[in-house]
Amino acid sequence: KAGVTQTPRYLIKTRGQQVTLSCSPISGHRSVSWYQQTPGQGLQFLFEYFSETQRNKGNFPGRFSGRQFSNSRSEMNVSTLELGDSALYLCASSLRVLASGGTSTDTQYFGPGTRLTVL
Amino acid sequence: ILNVEQSPQSLHVQEGDSTNFTCSFPSSNFYALHWYRWETAKSPEALFVMTLNGDEKKKGRISATLNTKEGYSYLYIKGSQPEDSATYLCAFKSPPGAGSYQLTFGKGTKLSVIP
Repeated sequence: KAGVTQTPRYLIKTRGQQVTLSCSPISGHRSVSWYQQTPGQGLQFLFEYFSETQRNKGNFPGRFSGRQFSNSRSEMNVSTLELGDSALYLCASSLRVLASGGTSTDTQYFGPGTRLTVL
Repeated sequence: ILNVEQSPQSLHVQEGDSTNFTCSFPSSNFYALHWYRWETAKSPEALFVMTLNGDEKKKGRISATLNTKEGYSYLYIKGSQPEDSATYLCAFKSPPGAGSYQLTFGKGTKLSVIP
């Protein structure tokens, strides 16, 4: 089974530009989450999409947006790039399955990430 | 804002040593605790998902325990090998509807195993 793929792997942009990152989940997974990692910080949650709907959103400005398509592929867009947006952006997919008892095993499988550099 | 703390930040051990590190999380509104291993230039790899107080999980030489009442989890590596060198991340999830149904990650413990 193919893993989570992300494109592009590396990207260089300048301040003020916008960027779109793409994530293809594992076949059959309907949930896609996006994370940002900057030096010294842990993985920061951006948002989660499930069945084409945004289910959760982290504490990021409105310049960060996303969407999910009917085939579960997801895109993330950052508009008006700032230097501080330079980061590794990871997406993760999961089945979002509830185990018995109502708890969710919900393991997230991560892609290799897109390294964005803003100059 | 949920606070997930991991200690130590980094750790150097000799090959063959056993080691452990800690993840601290809020003891209220617990839903699940995830552990990941993240090797340099690779994707984070899921190790364990733990949901019940007292849970113990094992995968090869790596095991984890969970105490939801006091809000901590331990990850143990027995007989560390150079290939265990990685950053180990824990992530906390609270129940749907009780705040954020999302993974809140700690900053990780970076383990270096010296041959």
